[in-house]
Amino acid sequence: QVQLVQSGAEVKKPGSSVKVSCKASGGTFSSYAISWVRQAPGQGLEWMGGIIPIFGTANYAQKFQGRVTITADESTSTAYMELSSLRSEDTAVYYCAREGASGYPGGGYFDYWGQGTLVTVSS
Amino acid sequence: EIVLTQSPGTLSLSPGERATLSCRASQSVSSSYLAWYQQKPGQAPRLLIYGASSRATGIPDRFSGSGSGTDFTLTISRLEPEDFAVYYCQQYGSSPPTFGPGTKVDIK
Repeated sequence: QVQLVQSGAEVKKPGSSVKVSCKASGGTFSSYAISWVRQAPGQGLEWMGGIIPIFGTANYAQKFQGRVTITADESTSTAYMELSSLRSEDTAVYYCAREGASGYPGGGYFDYWGQGTLVTVSS
Repeated sequence: EIVLTQSPGTLSLSPGERATLSCRASQSVSSSYLAWYQQKPGQAPRLLIYGASSRATGIPDRFSGSGSGTDFTLTISRLEPEDFAVYYCQQYGSSPPTFGPGTKVDIK
């Protein structure tokens, strides 16, 4: 059974950066895309970008280009999402999710999800 | 990018009733690459349907998906108490993948 376990909640100041981790177990980490999806309080779901660890190249939503960096460490089966220049609108729960049957990040449905990491941006 | 619209915004039904949720895309979804998710408060979304009509592992057969092109439907044949939640559609036929705003199914 695939499990994705994310790092804990963060409180950040505007203008700073946050890095969230997502450790996978129970499956083949390297060959499946891992994406990051966020959900602002009371709002819907928004895809930020993703990576296929074995290839190492990330694909980002245009909205987040230049502000988000997604990486993966095959040796520890862990994916990371770093978001910089934080503002209050970035307050959200950030999820990592595995893509089933996807040839590129963002090209699949999300069959396994992490538990979510709440990032609060506040002065 | 493809914009998804879901209707209704809220569906108030009683246990045992049939629920029909709609998802409409701003342009045709390639190869029916449309998925449905269920989300309960404080939980991550859960995959129900992919490829417009294929049930994910472990999903009860009271959940079914249909549709193609720009119009898709999720049907819950008989609502169980645990089915009251928010449902999202998602297209993954073109990048970026996008989600609909959700339909909340609540108890009447």
